[in-house]
Amino acid sequence: DTEVTQTPKHLVMGMTNKKSLKCEQHMGHRAMYWYKQKAKKPPELMFVYSYEKLSINESVPSRFSPECPNSSLLNLHLHALQPEDSALYLCASSQEPGTNQPQHFGDGTRLSIL
Amino acid sequence: AQSVTQLDSHVSVSEGTPVLLRCNYSSSYSPSLFWYVQHPNKGLQLLLKYTSAATLVKGINGFEAEFKKSETSFHLTKPSAHMSDAAEYFCVVTSTGFQKLVFGTGTRLLVSP
Repeated sequence: DTEVTQTPKHLVMGMTNKKSLKCEQHMGHRAMYWYKQKAKKPPELMFVYSYEKLSINESVPSRFSPECPNSSLLNLHLHALQPEDSALYLCASSQEPGTNQPQHFGDGTRLSIL
Repeated sequence: AQSVTQLDSHVSVSEGTPVLLRCNYSSSYSPSLFWYVQHPNKGLQLLLKYTSAATLVKGINGFEAEFKKSETSFHLTKPSAHMSDAAEYFCVVTSTGFQKLVFGTGTRLLVSP
């Protein structure tokens, strides 16, 4: 069982909808990450939060809006997405930012844009 | 900049035979290296990590990898493949300052009965 929990597991939405992805970890990790993964490709980093503050934004379009309400929770707010945004969205966490500690991944949310 | 090359996009083995998944890295400093496995419709699971301690690293499910600085390699091996090993495997290196992970393109392991 994964220690990083993502909900929902699947999401289908239209291009005009607003939805949110949720990620939770209770390992006391202080770094949290969002990745996008297309089929048969490695994950691509989107955002990094360090001590609940956004530290890295990999030039992600503004239709993706991350939020870190507390040290255990990470959200990704979605609005006006495009069909090419259909992908597996993975959340990860690591013990401390900027260290060689491994990242622990959730099972992802599979997002389909109609 | 750091980079990782996984030399095979697909590897096919028979159940009970050895597994070798090849990875070469490029790094301007002493890197940290990881192998992750991803089963269908799942997230990435850490198999093992090298962080400048022992060069032979043992991981979960019988996997191990050897860090060879002279060859800039970090190949993943397992003595005997199991059907449940069929998955996508990613070799990963940390970026400068450990802020990001740099992923290889992945190797799909196929295991036949």
